[in-house]
Amino acid sequence: DAKTTQPPSMDCAEGRAANLPCNHSTISGNEYVYWYRQIHSQGPQYIIHGLKNNETNEMASLIITEDRKSSTLILPHATLRDTAVYYCIVRITGGTSYGKLTFGQGTILTVHP
Amino acid sequence: NAGVTQTPKFRILKIGQSMTLQCTQDMNHNYMYWYRQDPGMGLKLIYYSVGAGITDKGEVPNGYNVSRSTTEDFPLRLELAAPSQTSVYFCASSSTGLAGGGYFGPGTRLTVT
Repeated sequence: DAKTTQPPSMDCAEGRAANLPCNHSTISGNEYVYWYRQIHSQGPQYIIHGLKNNETNEMASLIITEDRKSSTLILPHATLRDTAVYYCIVRITGGTSYGKLTFGQGTILTVHP
Repeated sequence: NAGVTQTPKFRILKIGQSMTLQCTQDMNHNYMYWYRQDPGMGLKLIYYSVGAGITDKGEVPNGYNVSRSTTEDFPLRLELAAPSQTSVYFCASSSTGLAGGGYFGPGTRLTVT
């Protein structure tokens, strides 16, 4: 699996966009980028994933650079409830991977009033 | 749907004792996983299962055993508990593997003294 690098912590004002970066310079062509978050000791929650095109869902947007070596998770209007640890993971899908994920240290996002 | 449920929520074990952590999902998912999370760290995969009767080791399987006799249940057995097994244990399930999303349970906080 490609290694990812995330800043250990970030701050964001409530109501503003939170932009969480992730570097994955050794990503392979068949590896997807996934984002999960973990709110204060709860189980991780799936947010979004993508291969090379930008993706958007009701929770967030995922922007992947053209060379796929980095990506940004965007929470468009952060709220206090978005305070959590955000994990960026790269992984192939299908085959003998069986959908397993390897979690790193993640980024602690703190949204303040 | 209750989603993924785990019992107990908390448990204190003495060194050398054994216990079973229960995990049940009601979404008819084939894939199930057990992760552990030590304080301040990311999650590490202990065991996983791709269907009833099929299990395999993850990254840190030593000291644990699993079984999958039904689609719904995936219990994790600790034999001869050790202080190094003090951790929070998360069970997860998915229809296509966690790389496509998936759901985590609320966790079991285990202390071995």
